[in-house]
Amino acid sequence: AQKITQTQPGMFVQEKEAVTLDCTYDTSDPSYGLFWYKQPSSGEMIFLIYQGSYDQQNATEGRYSLNFQKARKSANLVISASQLGDSAMYFCAMREGRQTSYDKVIFGPGTSLSVIP
Amino acid sequence: GAVVSQHPSWVICKSGTSVKIECRSLDFQATTMFWYRQFPKQSLMLMATSNEGSKATYEQGVEKDKFLINHASLTLSTLTVTSAHPEDSSFYICSAGPGYNSPLHFGNGTRLTVT
Repeated sequence: AQKITQTQPGMFVQEKEAVTLDCTYDTSDPSYGLFWYKQPSSGEMIFLIYQGSYDQQNATEGRYSLNFQKARKSANLVISASQLGDSAMYFCAMREGRQTSYDKVIFGPGTSLSVIP
Repeated sequence: GAVVSQHPSWVICKSGTSVKIECRSLDFQATTMFWYRQFPKQSLMLMATSNEGSKATYEQGVEKDKFLINHASLTLSTLTVTSAHPEDSSFYICSAGPGYNSPLHFGNGTRLTVT
C-alpha cells in the first residue's frame, strides 16, 4: 500500500509567488519523521526540511516551511517567493521509528514544479 | 555538512558484464547505507539496506543475487550489478545519515546504461 501520496504530478507557479506542494502519509507508528527533498534535472537529491512527529512547531528553513497537520496526516511543503532555480522534482519522504540512522526512508511519487518567469 | 560520495557518475557496459558502484561517507561513519533505484520520471525505490559487517537487507522483489551489496567498512558500501541486462539500465543512488534525527544525505547517483 502506498504510504506516501503526492497528488500533484505537476505544478506551475509564477516567479516570486508562493506555492504549496501536497503530501499525505500513512503510518501507525507514533514516532516518525517527514522529509522533503528537491531533485533538479542533474539528479542530485537535496535535503530541504525535516519535521518530527513529536515536534510542536512547524519546521521552517529559509524560504521553505512545512505545514504539518498531524491529525490529517499531511505535511505540505510551502515555498515562498519562488525562484527560477526552484524548478525541479520535489519528493516527500517518511522514516518510521525512532529516527535512527538504521531506519529506512521511503519516498512519495514526487511533484514536478515549474517556475514561470 | 555530511557528504556522501558515489562513483562512477555514469557507466556504459555490455550485456552480461558486471558493474560495481561505490558509495562512501566522507566525513562520518555510516553503519547503514541505503541503495535506491530510480527510473526516468519516477520516484526513488528502495532496493536494499546495507549493513556494515553483516548481510544486506533486500526489499521485496529485489534479486539479491543480481544486486550484490558489500559494506566492508564504516565508510564504504558497494553495489555490484551482476550479469547486467538492458532492463537494469537505471539511475542508482546511495544514501546514508550520520545519526539520530539526521536526514539522509545522498550521493550524486550513477547512471547505468547496459547495451
